[in-house]
Amino acid sequence: GAGVSQSPSNKVTEKGKDVELRCDPISGHTALYWYRQSLGQGLEFLIYFQGNSAPDKSGLPSDRFSAERTGGSVSTLTIQRTQQEDSAVYLCASSPGRRGNTIYFGEGSWLTVV
Amino acid sequence: GNSVTQMEGPVTLSEEAFLTINCTYTATGYPSLFWYVQYPGEGLQLLLKATKADDKGSNKGFEATYRKETTSFHLEKGSVQVSDSAVYFCALTVGGSQGNLIFGKGTKLSVKP
Repeated sequence: GAGVSQSPSNKVTEKGKDVELRCDPISGHTALYWYRQSLGQGLEFLIYFQGNSAPDKSGLPSDRFSAERTGGSVSTLTIQRTQQEDSAVYLCASSPGRRGNTIYFGEGSWLTVV
Repeated sequence: GNSVTQMEGPVTLSEEAFLTINCTYTATGYPSLFWYVQYPGEGLQLLLKATKADDKGSNKGFEATYRKETTSFHLEKGSVQVSDSAVYFCALTVGGSQGNLIFGKGTKLSVKP
């Protein structure tokens, strides 16, 4: 598509359940990023993919969080045993992956854990 | 470590007023600097960027100059419009790619007619 597409746009889940968030990057973009935006915390970097590998996972907040990317395209962010503090907007972004390229963001997946 | 500090909002201005949103940074190496904007109900968009000292980024009437001596990248616009109402984020990245953007906490701007 024309931009970064994320789904679902909104998700309400019960505490303790697992959730999966999906990101479709811009076609041809080799770099893919996940960020989290929450009140009081601003925008936090979670993980970065170059192709299917993740050279930087430094931002994942706990081992309940994982992400994968297949075929150098779609990525899934999985949160296991969700907690209320996981409530946030999860933003995906992509770029052509070369220095100086612009990073394009999706509109985010709003996650609410009740 | 690397960090970005920007002025806290909200900032409320009248149309045609002058805007400054301050941003300072701490970084190892030579960062690239960015301003992103998030309009209501929309995703983050790159507003402007500067990749080396003394560069000036500009777009849509907004400007910011990369000042290495003061480690600053303040956003300015001479005459704001109601349509500029949004949240503005200063960000940096270091290293050879544009990965791992580090953001400030954002400044909400409201422009009144």
